[in-house]
Amino acid sequence: EMQLVESGGGLVKPGGSLRLSCAASGFTFSSYNMNWVRQAPGKGLEWVSFISGPSTSIHYADSVRGRFTISRDNAKDSLYLQMNSLTAEDTAVYYCARGGTGDFWGQGTLVTVSS
Amino acid sequence: DIQMTQSPPSLSASVGDTVTITCRASQGISNYLAWFQQKPGKAPKSLIYAASSLQSGVPSKFSGSGSGTDFTLTISSLQPEDFAIYYCYQYNNYPRTFGPGTTVDIK
Repeated sequence: EMQLVESGGGLVKPGGSLRLSCAASGFTFSSYNMNWVRQAPGKGLEWVSFISGPSTSIHYADSVRGRFTISRDNAKDSLYLQMNSLTAEDTAVYYCARGGTGDFWGQGTLVTVSS
Repeated sequence: DIQMTQSPPSLSASVGDTVTITCRASQGISNYLAWFQQKPGKAPKSLIYAASSLQSGVPSKFSGSGSGTDFTLTISSLQPEDFAIYYCYQYNNYPRTFGPGTTVDIK
């Protein structure tokens, strides 16, 4: 059974950092591009970042570029999002989504930025 | 950046109805358009990719069409489990962008 399980969310103060993880199972993780997508409370979906299977191509939304870093470890079937200089506007549920079309998503992890 | 718009923002329908949601891109995206369904408290679920291709396991009551800038999602014979928010998503250019969503609720 395919699974994507996000973890690492929580409460962090403005200016703080957090590292999200997404553990994949049930498919050949290294063969798939991956994305992070977030959803602020009561709002729509916002694409955050993309990484190709071999990590040779990486893209970011303007709202996070320079503060967030996407990475992956194909040996561990894991995707990561290092988030620095967090602000209240980064408060959201963060989802990892498989492939260019987002054909499969994790359940999400909540990040709350508040003092 | 490519802006995605959806209409209507919300609609009310009855069980058994057929509804159509429209998505428009601010510039041509060929057929690099996907549709997602999201229910309260749940992760989005992929319904359609490449504008008209049904994801595996998605019932044929969902259908998509369009190319370039104008796209539609049609849901036939609405059932209680279909009441949700529907998002379009372009994956032709970076940054990827979602439409604002269309809420389909029960009349």
